[in-house]
Amino acid sequence: ILNVEQSPQSLHVQEGDSTNFTCSFPSSNFYALHWYRWETAKSPEALFVMTLNGDEKKKGRISATLNTKEGYSYLYIKGSQPEDSATYLCAFPSGGSYIPTFGRGTSLIVHP
Amino acid sequence: SQTIHQWPATLVQPVGSPLSLECTVEGTSNPNLYWYRQAAGRGLQLLFYSVGIGQISSEVPQNLSASRPQDRQFILSSKKLLLSDSGFYLCACVAGGSNTQYFGPGTRLTVL
Repeated sequence: ILNVEQSPQSLHVQEGDSTNFTCSFPSSNFYALHWYRWETAKSPEALFVMTLNGDEKKKGRISATLNTKEGYSYLYIKGSQPEDSATYLCAFPSGGSYIPTFGRGTSLIVHP
Repeated sequence: SQTIHQWPATLVQPVGSPLSLECTVEGTSNPNLYWYRQAAGRGLQLLFYSVGIGQISSEVPQNLSASRPQDRQFILSSKKLLLSDSGFYLCACVAGGSNTQYFGPGTRLTVL
C-alpha cells in the first residue's frame, strides 16, 4: 500500500489570497502524479499530469510543480476566488495496470 | 473524448436489500474501468478495477461485487446491503495512453 499524503487537510482563505498545498508520495519507481479538482456534488476533474522532475504546469491561476527526487508536488492558486472552493486530490499510480492511490485531499474554502 | 454515464444518480435502500449500479462508457474502446467509493468524511477508496471483459480485481474485501459483461459496461452489485455501504460511488475510466482518470457523475447511496 502506497503512502500518498496531502496537507493541509483543509484550508480557509479569503478571496484574493494566494495559497498552496502539498502532495507527498514515494520517491522510488516514480511514474506520474495526477492532480484532480473535486467540487461538492460533482465528479473529480483532471487538472494536471506531472511526469518529469522539475515539471511545472499551469492552467489559469492554478499551477503545480513536481519534485520526484524528494517525493512531493505543490499546487498553487494565485488570487483565490470563491469558485476555486473544492477538494484537491492527488493520485499516484502503481502497478502494471495503472492502479492509482489517491491522497485524502485538501479541502479549500475561499470566503468572499 | 470519453463520456461516462452512471445511474441512478441517487438511491435510498433498506439494509439487507440488493444493489445494482451501472456504469457505461462512450467514446473509447477497451478502457480500464474502476469503481470508487467515498464514505462520509473519508477519502476516495478504490473498490474494483477491470482491464477487460470478465476481468475484475477487488481491492477491498466486502459484501460488494463487480462485473464487466461488455467492454464499456461496468456493474457494481450487492446481494445484501449494509449500513456501512452508504456513500458516494464513482465509476472512472482510463483509456489510451493518458493514464488520467475520467469520472462519471456518481451515485449517492443511502442505506437505512
